[in-house]
Amino acid sequence: GAVVSQHPSRVICKSGTSVKIECRSLDFQATTMFWYRQFPKQSLMLMATSNEGSKATYEQGVEKDKFLINHASLTLSTLTVTSAHPEDSSFYICSAAGTMGQYFGPGTRLTVT
Amino acid sequence: QKEVEQNSGPLSVPEGAIASLNCTYSDRGSQSFFWYRQYSGKSPELIMFIYSNGDKEDGRFTAQLNKASQYVSLLIRDSQPSDSATYLCAVNFGGMDSSYKLIFGSGTRLLVRP
Repeated sequence: GAVVSQHPSRVICKSGTSVKIECRSLDFQATTMFWYRQFPKQSLMLMATSNEGSKATYEQGVEKDKFLINHASLTLSTLTVTSAHPEDSSFYICSAAGTMGQYFGPGTRLTVT
Repeated sequence: QKEVEQNSGPLSVPEGAIASLNCTYSDRGSQSFFWYRQYSGKSPELIMFIYSNGDKEDGRFTAQLNKASQYVSLLIRDSQPSDSATYLCAVNFGGMDSSYKLIFGSGTRLLVRP
């Protein structure tokens, strides 16, 4: 149980385009999901907390107009990186709050060329 | 500032030995604690959680919590090369509610030598 999926697993896009990443809890409902970013050999960095039916709460320093988060249902949250630039290239990971803690999706590796 | 501290390592142990990973946290009121394992290039995987003082065992893994010392550890018995990974300690400063954000340590890299 407590399986979280992410799609796509890997994406390459051109600078200036937008990319949407989906996070789904497959076998449980998650009123809260989290979005993280991780650069190579660095720790996880929490970007935002996503609550179903309400606006996301962004961490300090994260641009909410650049990283759009929508948590439309109890099993789906999306992160859209708008007007992506090479410095946005990173490993984006979502997690969903289950009964026994947070369960992570497999991650999405974004490369912006 | 709520903080979670871990030694970055690497911690190198021979196969079959006990690996001991340590973590300290800043907020005495914290109530729930988690250990995640992260292989290179992969996302974190939940290994164990612990809420109460003392030990909690699950297979080869034992989590130990000492709230008075604000210290949580993970012991891995009979270490295997496949245990080589980065181990992340995470603390829920908001209590027991998993919808509250976790504060992660920077992780300890474990290397198990064959």
